[in-house]
Amino acid sequence: EVQLLESGGGLVQPGGSLRLSCATSGFTFSSYAMSWVRQAPGKGLEWVSSISGGSGNTYYTDSVKGRFTISRDNPKNTLYLQMNSLRAEDTAIYYCAKQGRNDAFDFWGQGTMVSVSS
Amino acid sequence: DIVMTQSPDSLAVSLGERATINCKSSQSVLYSSNNKKYLAWYQQKAGQPPKLLIYWASIRESGVPDRFNGSGSGTDFTLTISSLQAEDVAVYSCQQYYSLPLTFGGGTKVEIK
Repeated sequence: EVQLLESGGGLVQPGGSLRLSCATSGFTFSSYAMSWVRQAPGKGLEWVSSISGGSGNTYYTDSVKGRFTISRDNPKNTLYLQMNSLRAEDTAIYYCAKQGRNDAFDFWGQGTMVSVSS
Repeated sequence: DIVMTQSPDSLAVSLGERATINCKSSQSVLYSSNNKKYLAWYQQKAGQPPKLLIYWASIRESGVPDRFNGSGSGTDFTLTISSLQAEDVAVYSCQQYYSLPLTFGGGTKVEIK
């Protein structure tokens, strides 16, 4: 059974940092691209970042480029998102999502809440 | 960026009736080399993460009931719930994975009339 479990969210002041983790199991982690998708309170889904399975190529939405860094530890089956220089508009539930062979997001974690406020 | 526009924002349908949700992309998401449409549909129930329903615009994910059907061309897509059940109350979102940045529609809230 595929499982994705996010952690690391919380309340942080503007300009602060957080590191999100997504522990995975039930599939060959290194073989699949992984992503972070966020959802601001009462809003729609927004793709944040992706990382390929093998080469570790990384991709970001423009609003987080230079502030967020996605990474993965394949031996530990874990995905990360380092978030620096956080802004109020980064407040959201952050979901870890696995991309299937069809490239759609076929499994999602339960999400971790990030609140940026003074 | 490819903009995904869904309509309506919400709809109320009687149990057993048909629900139709539309999604329009600002440019084609049809990849001509493999004739695949890079469009997915997700269901998100209150307090839960999204769940993949449909990929390649019309392929049902394993375990998804056959009352959920996806269709469409390169820019205009439809998700149809043929006979609405109580457990289908949710927000439905389309997503293109043709090009970066990956983008989602704003969501359509489906309720029981």
